[in-house]
Amino acid sequence: GQQLNQSPQSMFIQEGEDVSMNCTSSSIFNTWLWYKQEPGEGPVLLIALYKAGELTSNGRLTAQFGITRKDSFLNISASIPSDVGIYFCAGQTGNQFYFGTGTSLTVIP
Amino acid sequence: DSGVTQTPKHLITATGQRVTLRCSPRSGDLSVYWYQQSLDQGLQFLIQYYNGEERAKGNILERFSAQQFPDLHSELNLSSLELGDSALYFCASSVVGISGNTIYFGEGSWLTVV
Repeated sequence: GQQLNQSPQSMFIQEGEDVSMNCTSSSIFNTWLWYKQEPGEGPVLLIALYKAGELTSNGRLTAQFGITRKDSFLNISASIPSDVGIYFCAGQTGNQFYFGTGTSLTVIP
Repeated sequence: DSGVTQTPKHLITATGQRVTLRCSPRSGDLSVYWYQQSLDQGLQFLIQYYNGEERAKGNILERFSAQQFPDLHSELNLSSLELGDSALYFCASSVVGISGNTIYFGEGSWLTVV
């Protein structure tokens, strides 16, 4: 199946730093979704984006749906230790969802 | 709580055996998706059902099968299990809202084949 290009693959940051990750695709998507997954748990939806150019925030998280509809980014401001996890992007077209390979985030206290 | 319920949460079984994983989608969601996630791997799409009918197939082995019942719950059957089938299996359901589509995941069924 199609995979989205998600970068970076992993990040090690100090507590309090801002984080940025992004997903790109060669295909156009109608919806972009961002999830966080902790070990042994299911992905939890963080932010859903439905329109090109849309910028949406959820607390310290901000995500944007790229104008070309082929990319999206997620920013986390002022990171804290509980932000640790794997962040996945997902793009939706038709009735299918395609997932990025994940960004593993480690926050050093 | 996403509203998607999966059972069992953990399962240990021997090679060659068969297991069934169960999923109840969010209330009102007609679509159910199954994904496999091996250690340190991304989400591999297996199969999708919509209102009881198979809608799309991904990287699902012939030893695996699924179905969605009239009450919309779904089961994933894994047979002739091999060591390499050990993984987290996720069910997800999707809703088409006013704005667009969103997919919600269950907490997963952790399968260990020994």
